[in-house]
Amino acid sequence: DTAVSQTPKYLVTQMGNDKSIKCEQNLGHDTMYWYKQDSKKFLKIMFSYNNKELIINETVPNRFSPKSPDKAHLNLHINSLELGDSAVYFCASKGLDNEQFFGPGTRLTVL
Amino acid sequence: AQSVAQPEDQVNVAEGNPLTVKCTYSVSGNPYLFWYVQYPNRGLQFLLKYITGDNLVKGSYGFEAEFNKSQTSFHLKKPSALVSDSALYFCAVSNTGGGNKLTFGTGTQLKVEL
Repeated sequence: DTAVSQTPKYLVTQMGNDKSIKCEQNLGHDTMYWYKQDSKKFLKIMFSYNNKELIINETVPNRFSPKSPDKAHLNLHINSLELGDSAVYFCASKGLDNEQFFGPGTRLTVL
Repeated sequence: AQSVAQPEDQVNVAEGNPLTVKCTYSVSGNPYLFWYVQYPNRGLQFLLKYITGDNLVKGSYGFEAEFNKSQTSFHLKKPSALVSDSALYFCAVSNTGGGNKLTFGTGTQLKVEL
């Protein structure tokens, strides 16, 4: 009965590779997000989708491409991975009154 | 632009003592304010929120927070700290107009010692 789930939990890859992270929520929410948490634990929003439409794009390199096949899923595809992409990526969905529910995170390590 | 400041990187408190984690915010319009907690290698867990109404809001695990509009603050408090409260705490703000974007503070590491 996990509310927001992400796969994989850990992702280790080489520079230059392309990888995807998947997110699913079973809360019936219309809005979903991707956040990046860096090594200093700073959290920054990357993207937001509302019912499959992109509504927030926070100056993220275009190597990052979110895709929302339906309102319960928001996937993140990253092309040509760089060392600086190493971080923990969190998916979230928004309930009433802007309260957000977070997934467990995906720790991406680029070697 | 909206922003959140958490002026303390770390707060140390003895178990059983009261704790306060500070947060101030800047936002146009009326704020929605939130506290989240992150345990090691885990996602963020919602603690409490202020939307409207009473300035003192109560949340999970005995935590509460006081909204102070004149000081633009939303400090997190607990009357009696537990060792298990040790974690990273984030304050966040969004405005009532835009509604979709949460801006987080830099986080405060709470350490509760015996």
